Order: sequence, then C-alpha cells, then structure tokens
Amino acid sequence: AQKITQTQPGMFVQEKEAVTLDCTYDTSDPSYGLFWYKQPSSGEMIFLIYQGSYDQQNATEGRYSLNFQKARKSANLVISASQLGDSAMYFCAMRGEDSSYKLIFGSGTRLLVRP
Amino acid sequence: DSGVTQTPKHLITATGQRVTLRCSPRSGDLSVYWYQQSLDQGLQFLIQYYNGEERAKGNILERFSAQQFPDLHSELNLSSLELGDSALYFCASSVGGGSTYNEQFFGPGTRLTVL
Repeated sequence: AQKITQTQPGMFVQEKEAVTLDCTYDTSDPSYGLFWYKQPSSGEMIFLIYQGSYDQQNATEGRYSLNFQKARKSANLVISASQLGDSAMYFCAMRGEDSSYKLIFGSGTRLLVRP
Repeated sequence: DSGVTQTPKHLITATGQRVTLRCSPRSGDLSVYWYQQSLDQGLQFLIQYYNGEERAKGNILERFSAQQFPDLHSELNLSSLELGDSALYFCASSVGGGSTYNEQFFGPGTRLTVL
C-alpha cells in the first residue's frame, strides 16, 4: 500500500538559513508523482513543488527545491534563505496508484522560522 | 488565490443535523476532490468526481455523500452529524486524470464545527 512518512513533527530554523524537511514514500507503482504543499495558519493549502518519478532533474521553484533520491524513496523539500512567512505546516503528498489521482498526504511538519 | 471557491467558510451546527458544503472548481478543471483534515486523522481523501461521474472513493462515511453537477460545481452532503465530524473540509480541482502530473489546486476550505 502507498504511504508517505514525515518523521519531523516540528522544526525550527533561523531566518535566512536553509532548512530540509524530510519525506519518505512507499509505492509499487513505477510511475508516480510527489508533491509538497504549504499550509499557513490561515488554513489554505498552497502547492509548492512537484517531482515526477521519471524526471531526470530535481525539481526547483524559486527558493524551494526537492532533493529526490529515488533509490532511497525520499523526496525532501529544501527551503533556502528562510523567511518569517515560511512558518507553516508542510505536507508531502503522493499521487494515488489508482486512476483517481487522489493525493495521499503525510502527517506534516510544522516549521517555525525564528527572527 | 487558487481559483477554487468553497462556501461557506465556517459552519457551526449541532449533532444529528445535515449540512451541505459547496465547491466551484477552477475554470476548465473537470476533476473535483474532497478531503477532510482533522486533528486525529490528518488529511484524508474522501471522494473524487470527474466530469460529473464518481471516479474514486476514499475513507468516506456512509453518512456522507457528494455529487458533481453539469456546471462542474460539487456539493458534499454530511448528515447525522457527530462531534467527530468537526474538521476542515477541502475541495480541490485539477484538469483531470490521464497523466502522472496532476497538480491539484485547493480551495480555502470549510471549517465545520459540530456542537
């Protein structure tokens, strides 16, 4: 069965420093997609970055990059130059194996950026 | 703004009651997904509709039902409400299935409180 694991319930980072949020996954589907979403205290879910299993390069979107290690089944999110506005919950998610393309979410990591 | 709208933003009701949550997907998106976010269960997929047809079911209770109308908006009906149904209910939309990449855009959510 598919599973997403985020082992860091909470993390602190100093403003302007980089931080890595861990995500490991399990799937038997050779073709899969991995997503990261940000949920600020206001509650909305904001899409950050996507990595496809066949993508040759690690995904990057501005200050967000994905450290994709396929053999280890990990897809860690790296946030560079942290800002106070980065304080939020971060969810790693995977596309479902069936035809629905539903998202299966991890339990999330709460990131707090210190000034 | 993701382009997905959900109403109402907040809903407070009593046990045993029935409520309807409404979602309008982004223009052009054919798929609508419903997710429930609760403290104990995390983010869980409930149900998906694609172009008016039910595509997949997740952990949706029998007391819950949904539909997608010809104009592609969707409604999630929750009946015989219990205290444990208190949660944030998200609607998300995407263009549809057929590819690994299926970015879902989330609405702002409806926060349901059952007293």
